[in-house]
Amino acid sequence: DAGVTQSPTHLIKTRGQQVTLRCSPKSGHDTVSWYQQALGQGPQFIFQYYEEEERQRGNFPDRFSGHQFPNYSSELNVNALLLGDSALYLCASSETFGFQETQYFGPGTRLLVL
Amino acid sequence: DQQVKQNSPSLSVQEGRISILNCDYTNSMFDYFLWYKKYPAEGPTFLISISSIKDKNEDGRFTVFLNKSAKHLSLHIVPSQPGDSAVYFCAAKAGKSTFGDGTTLTVKP
Repeated sequence: DAGVTQSPTHLIKTRGQQVTLRCSPKSGHDTVSWYQQALGQGPQFIFQYYEEEERQRGNFPDRFSGHQFPNYSSELNVNALLLGDSALYLCASSETFGFQETQYFGPGTRLLVL
Repeated sequence: DQQVKQNSPSLSVQEGRISILNCDYTNSMFDYFLWYKKYPAEGPTFLISISSIKDKNEDGRFTVFLNKSAKHLSLHIVPSQPGDSAVYFCAAKAGKSTFGDGTTLTVKP
């Protein structure tokens, strides 16, 4: 049973460009959350998708957007990249959208913005 | 303002001894707390959790304690093993999850 997978593993972009990161949830999971982890810090919640809709959002600008597909996979899009967007982007999936769902994390996509 | 703080960036213990990792939070709306372990090049892995209606939860070598009046959470690992060496994150939930910055645990053989 495959766990959470993310692609690509690494990515280099320049300022002002746009990027799309992809996530496939663990089998049987229908909720996907995205996190940004800067070096030396903990993951910061970007947003969560359930039933193809954004259900919760953290303190991130509108440059960060996402999508969830009918097969529960998800994309994170970041427009007008800034140097400060360089980070590890983690995707986490869970079985239910609710209170005590256990999240399973993918290995992340490391984004470097030059 | 950081709502979840792990004040010790690193901790080193001897194999077989107890490891105690601490976490403080400020938001009284948090009602569920979790600990994750992270190895290099991997995503965080869920370890153990506790609801705000409890003060202790055990799972094998791992025990989480919650002191709501002090807004303090701790993870005890007994006995510590070299394979426990990793970065440990505490997280608190009020809807979304808020993570601390992590504590790097090194267990020496």
